[in-house]
This record gives sequence, structure tokens and C-alpha cells, in this order.
Amino acid sequence: QKEVEQNSGPLSVPEGAIASLNCTYSDRGSQSFFWYRQYSGKSPELIMSIYSNGDKEDGRFTAQLNKASQYVSLLIRDSQPSDSATYLCAGARNRDDKIIFGKGTRLHILP
Amino acid sequence: EADIYQTPRYLVIGTGKKITLECSQTMGHDKMYWYQQDPGMELHLIHYSYGVNSTEKGDLSSESTVSRIRTEHFPLTLESARPSHTSQYLCASSPHRGNYNEQFFGPGTRLTVL
Repeated sequence: QKEVEQNSGPLSVPEGAIASLNCTYSDRGSQSFFWYRQYSGKSPELIMSIYSNGDKEDGRFTAQLNKASQYVSLLIRDSQPSDSATYLCAGARNRDDKIIFGKGTRLHILP
Repeated sequence: EADIYQTPRYLVIGTGKKITLECSQTMGHDKMYWYQQDPGMELHLIHYSYGVNSTEKGDLSSESTVSRIRTEHFPLTLESARPSHTSQYLCASSPHRGNYNEQFFGPGTRLTVL
């Protein structure tokens, strides 16, 4: 059973601080990983994709992948109240494989 | 960014009615998906398609059916709606190129069955 595990939260972070969201996965064959942001009542929005070990930065967001530890993380720098949402971690083996979603971590940025 | 559309956005309907939720995308994506999500809960894959005339059931058992006659169109049908079908239905698509399989979601249809 392929699984993607996330702490459900809520994770409370003061405005301006770094929010750190973590995710582990059970399928060692997973090659592609994704972070989605989902506001309450809205659909998920892709914010980061990562395929190689290491860090990938995009603006205030940094995704980190460690395939040996089967661990994916998302760092949000200078957290803003607008970052308050549920963040979904997801993984897939290859382009023909279904994406396996985690249950999501609720992030609350404290003003 | 994918352009993916869902109609209707909101639907309130009585028990026993037949309904079709529409999903279309203009990016030429081969792969399309239907998810069901209750408020505050996880996504459940109910159907997917890897191209025209290809449909598969997902991980969550569903009484709905889908069809894929055209690349851009992936409608979901409930023959007889029940209150247990009340949920948000999300359509997604992804391209079939290279190693990339990011999924892009439509805005969703919120279904209420009375």
C-alpha cells in the first residue's frame, strides 16, 4: 500500500517566521513529489514540484527531497496570514502512475 | 497553468435524480481525474482516464460512471443521486509528456443531495 504521511496539524506559526511542513512516503519507487495548497472550500493549487534530491527554491517557498530517508518538506519563509491553508504532499512513481496524496497539514499563520 | 473548467459550480438536487457533472480542459492533456472530497477531509480518487476511450475506477468505490469520448471532456454521471453523494467533486488533468505528471485542478462542483 503506497502511502504519503503528513501531520494533520494545525501548525501555528507567527507571521514573518519560517513554516516547516513535513511529509514521508512509503513507496521507495516514488520519483516525483508535489506540494499543493488548498484554501478552505477551494480546490488544490500546485505550488511546487521536486524530482531530485536536494533543495528547490521558488520565491518564499523551498521544497526539500531526501529519497534515502523517504522524506519531503516544504519551507515557507516570511510567513504571511495569506499562507494559512491546508498543504497537501503528493508523490508518484512516474508519469504513468497515479499521484498519491497525503491527508494534508493545516497551517495557521498568527498575525 | 492549465485551464480546466467544471460546471455546475454548485448543485442542489433531490434524491433519485440523474445528474452529470461536467469537466473540460483546453490544454490537450491526456490524463484526467475525478476526486471526491468532503469538507476538511482528504482527497479520494474515484475515476481516471489516460486518454480517449480509457476509463478506470479509482481507489474509492463510487456509484458514479465516467466517459471519455473527447480528449478535452470527462463528464461524471450519477444515475440516481442519494444524500450520501453530497460532497465536493474535483476534476483534474495532467499532461503526458516527459517525466512530468503534475495535476491541475478545476474549481470543483459542490453537490448537495436532499
